[in-house]
Amino acid sequence: SAVISQKPSRDICQRGTSLTIQCQVDSQVTMMFWYRQQPGQSLTLIATANQGSEATYESGFVIDKFPISRPNLTFSTLTVSNMSPEDSSIYLCSVGEVAGYNEQFFGPGTRLTVL
Amino acid sequence: KNEVEQSPQNLTAQEGEFITINCSYSVGISALHWLQQHPGGGIVSLFMLSSGKKKHGRLIATINIQEKHSSLHITASHPRDSAVYICAGGAGSYQLTFGKGTKLSVIP
Repeated sequence: SAVISQKPSRDICQRGTSLTIQCQVDSQVTMMFWYRQQPGQSLTLIATANQGSEATYESGFVIDKFPISRPNLTFSTLTVSNMSPEDSSIYLCSVGEVAGYNEQFFGPGTRLTVL
Repeated sequence: KNEVEQSPQNLTAQEGEFITINCSYSVGISALHWLQQHPGGGIVSLFMLSSGKKKHGRLIATINIQEKHSSLHITASHPRDSAVYICAGGAGSYQLTFGKGTKLSVIP
């Protein structure tokens, strides 16, 4: 299985600022995913990030608001831009295709509060 | 559109009880994941099933493909099992459809 770390684990931010969340995996993976979990809700996929190509965003999410980088096979970042209180959520990254395991592994999450 | 329904939404059990959480899913889903989310938010993948039954320690997951139903069982429950349990359906790709979760509280 993969070991995934995220930074920061939590943050409190002011409205209008931006926060970049980092996701690091201990092995090379093709596919990385970014999810949002708003309070009391289930997870929603924001985008799929494959190394060497532009991220693919789900309906309702746009690159200007959630720019994603995927510079190599073990790392990705998600930026939450121009934040508002509605962006207060847990943000999780996950990975697929780890050494033959046909499933997803999730990171510990970043708990974001926007004031 | 793929759908996943979980029940119950909330579950309180006494330590030592046998616990069952149910998940029903729609036609397009071919694999079922069971996930555990602790209060801090981090998610651990417990099982992925496309048929049969899997067991890991006190956790057992089963799936009935004909009935499109999966169950997660916890034997000899313990307060450290308190978490939100989420089932998620996959349809041949890595994109998952998530249930709303079952909040389990195990009381000593």
